[in-house]
Amino acid sequence: QKEVEQNSGPLSVPEGAIASLNCTYSDRGSQSFFWYRQYSGKSPELIMSIYSNGDKEDGRFTAQLNKASQYVSLLIRDSQPSDSATYLCAALNNNAGNMLTFGGGTRLMVKP
Amino acid sequence: DGGITQSPKYLFRKEGQNVTLSCEQNLNHDAMYWYRQDPGQGLRLIYYSQIVNDFQKGDIAEGYSVSREKKESFPLTVTSAQKNPTAFYLCASSFSGQYGYTFGSGTRLTVV
Repeated sequence: QKEVEQNSGPLSVPEGAIASLNCTYSDRGSQSFFWYRQYSGKSPELIMSIYSNGDKEDGRFTAQLNKASQYVSLLIRDSQPSDSATYLCAALNNNAGNMLTFGGGTRLMVKP
Repeated sequence: DGGITQSPKYLFRKEGQNVTLSCEQNLNHDAMYWYRQDPGQGLRLIYYSQIVNDFQKGDIAEGYSVSREKKESFPLTVTSAQKNPTAFYLCASSFSGQYGYTFGSGTRLTVV
C-alpha cells in the first residue's frame, strides 16, 4: 500500500524561527509532491509543489525533495503565528491513475 | 473567477435520512473527488471520478453514493446506511492531478 508518513505533532516553534516539516513516502514511482496548509475548520490550500530533486523557494517557504531517500520537507522561515495550521504532504504517481496520496498532516504551532 | 463550490456549508441530518452534498466546479477539471475528514484526522477518500459518467469507490465508500452526469458536478449522497456520518466533507478537483488538487470550502455534516 502506498503511504505518505508525517509526524502528527504538534510542532511548536517560537515566532521568527524556522519551522521544518518532514514527510516520507513509500511509492518510488511518485514523481510530484505537494504541500497543503489547512487552518482549523477550513479546507486545504495548496502552498507548494515540487517535481525535481533539490530546493524550491517561494517567499518564506522552501520545499525540498530527495527522491533517493524518499523524503520531502517544507521549511517556513520567519515563522508567524498566522502560520499555525496543519500541513499536509501529498505525493502523485503519474503512472498510477493520477491520484494523490495524502499524509496525515503535521500540526504546527507558532508561539508569539 | 474559477473555483470549486460546495453547498451547503452546514448540514444537519436526522437519523435514517438521506442527504445530498453539492459540489460544482468551473475549472474545466476532468477529475473530481470526495473526502471525509474527522476531527484531528487526515483525509479519507470516499469516491472519485476521472471522467463523466464514470466513478470509482475509494477507501470508505460504504453508505455513500455519487453521480457524475456533468463534468462540472459531482454530488455526494450520504445514505441512511452510513451509521456515523458526522464529519467534514471535502470535494476536490484536478486537471489530471499533475498540478495537485483544488479543494472546495467543505460541508460540515452533523447528525441530530
